[in-house]
Amino acid sequence: DTGVSQNPRHKITKRGQNVTFRCDPISEHNRLYWYRQTLGQGPEFLTYFQNEAQLEKSRLLSDRFSAERPKGSFSTLEIQRTEQGDSAMYLCASSLRLSGEQYFGPGTRLTVT
Amino acid sequence: AQKVTQAQTEISVVEKEDVTLDCVYETRDTTYYLFWYKQPPSGELVFLIRRNSFDEQNEISGRYSWNFQKSTSSFNFTITASQVVDSAVYFCALSWDDYKLSFGAGTTVTVRA
Repeated sequence: DTGVSQNPRHKITKRGQNVTFRCDPISEHNRLYWYRQTLGQGPEFLTYFQNEAQLEKSRLLSDRFSAERPKGSFSTLEIQRTEQGDSAMYLCASSLRLSGEQYFGPGTRLTVT
Repeated sequence: AQKVTQAQTEISVVEKEDVTLDCVYETRDTTYYLFWYKQPPSGELVFLIRRNSFDEQNEISGRYSWNFQKSTSSFNFTITASQVVDSAVYFCALSWDDYKLSFGAGTTVTVRA
């Protein structure tokens, strides 16, 4: 039983560069969530999908953030023109629809220099 | 608005002691779910339990037990006879608006041998 996977695990980038992270959910999980976690805090909800439909994006931190799930399987989170404040752990989770518990991936740690 | 408060930032115990983690939540929803997750030093969030707001029965799973009291909006977590492997950050979370999660800031538990 394969869990949620995320790539890359670590990303170091210079301010102003674009970055893209990938999340592969547990197969058959139709819900996929993105969260951000900063040091000493709990994860903060960013956006989520049901199959290929993005159900909410108002919590994305700015218009520099965007996410896709083109075929209802893997998802990508892109940050354009990165800023130092974007440095954080970006977590992906998946679940079966509705009240199913969310299973988290190992995260992508972003460092913006 | 949904809010989860974990007032204890850090707890340190000696192995075999019991430790109780407090979680207080705020929500206007009548139906909601509460969760506990464990984040060990490796960083990956591990699902521990989900509780429906209509089910106030306490639950025990091995050395873990949970006490849900709707009257005080609390969902506390006890580890009995703690072990070094229990050292981690523990997060309480509340589902809101179509099952997105709002997390508390976490409690760091350190179990000393």
